[in-house]
Amino acid sequence: EVQLVQSGAEVKKPGESLKISCKGSGYSFTSYWIGWVRQMPGKGLEWMGIIYPGDSDTRYSPSFQGQVTISADKSISTAYLQWSSLKASDTAMYYCARRGYGESWFDPWGQGTLVTVSS
Amino acid sequence: SYELTQPLSVSVALGQTARITCGGNNIGSKNVHWYQQKPGQAPVLVIYRDSNRPSGIPERFSGSNSGNTATLTISRAQAGDEADYYCQVWDSSDVVFGGGTKLTVL
Repeated sequence: EVQLVQSGAEVKKPGESLKISCKGSGYSFTSYWIGWVRQMPGKGLEWMGIIYPGDSDTRYSPSFQGQVTISADKSISTAYLQWSSLKASDTAMYYCARRGYGESWFDPWGQGTLVTVSS
Repeated sequence: SYELTQPLSVSVALGQTARITCGGNNIGSKNVHWYQQKPGQAPVLVIYRDSNRPSGIPERFSGSNSGNTATLTISRAQAGDEADYYCQVWDSSDVVFGGGTKLTVL
């Protein structure tokens, strides 16, 4: 079964750093792009960026370029999303999702990681 | 940047047909995908490439795409279909989501 399992919920203070993870299993992790999507409380889906774990080719949405860093460690089939200095406005649910092979849709999705930033 | 427009909400009577639209400039030339998100859950792909259903998705879910509008159609709507629905396209190396539509089954 193809699965993406994300790390657990985080509570952080403004200015702190954070790295959340997304572990793939049941498929060749290096052959599929992994995307990250933000969902702020009560709001819709926002695409943040995407990485190809095979060679770490990474693309960012213009809205998130410079705000976050996407990376991957193919040796442990895990993609990451990280912040160097969190803001209260980063409070959201974050999902990773696998892009279909040669396709533009995303399936499956991880269960989500809730990040809460509060002083 | 490319924009996708969805109605904020759609209501349908139990057992009837719901249609959720997704508008975009010449969207008919793009591949449109649809996701269902129930409260507290991650999105699930229900239609890909305009009209294809992933395995496990009921035949009641169908899609079409032409001109400036793509449509997700849910036949014989059930209470379990209540959810938010998002359309998505890929445009110039960017992923674009519609704003989402809340489906209420009455």
